[in-house]
Amino acid sequence: GQSLEQPSEVTAVEGAIVQINCTYQTSGFYGLSWYQQHDGGAPTFLSYNALDGLEETGRFSSFLSRSDSYGYLLLQELQMKDSASYFCAVRGGGYNKLIFGAGTRLAVHP
Amino acid sequence: EADIYQTPRYLVIGTGKKITLECSQTMGHDKMYWYQQDPGMELHLIHYSYGVNSTEKGDLSSESTVSRIRTEHFPLTLESARPSHTSQYLCASSDSRLDVQFFGPGTRLTVL
Repeated sequence: GQSLEQPSEVTAVEGAIVQINCTYQTSGFYGLSWYQQHDGGAPTFLSYNALDGLEETGRFSSFLSRSDSYGYLLLQELQMKDSASYFCAVRGGGYNKLIFGAGTRLAVHP
Repeated sequence: EADIYQTPRYLVIGTGKKITLECSQTMGHDKMYWYQQDPGMELHLIHYSYGVNSTEKGDLSSESTVSRIRTEHFPLTLESARPSHTSQYLCASSDSRLDVQFFGPGTRLTVL
């Protein structure tokens, strides 16, 4: 089957850098996705890694190591508005649907 | 403007009522999904569809049903609502890139 593990909570201060890790188990692998969800809102797509290495999009970067079944989301120059839950996801169940991790709640403090 | 819509946004209803949650997308996506999510918890896939007349049950057992008669429309129906159905229901769609899903704003359902 497929499973993902990520920390339940992370706390950081404004302006800092935070890394949210995700390890996965899957019988086949297409790529690792990241989504952001603010309280009361809907998830929004952040990034996708199909190949090893770092993908950068502004203040956010995502990294993948397929040999380690591991990835992370890196948030730089943290702002208060970055306080949200972050979900990693992989394809599962015949690779036709996404399986989401339990989510990491990020709290950014002044 | 291409988008994904859900109605109603909030619904409070009594036990035993039949309800339909609406989801429409104007992005021309073939694939659509329904997720159930309790506050602060993970997303659970309850139904998905790869196109017209194609529907599948997801990983979380659900007493709801779905239909896909038109590409842009993917309604979810509960024949007899119960308090255990109280949750947020999120609709999403994607094109051929399954890993990139676009979510609607959600319907927050409360069953008394």
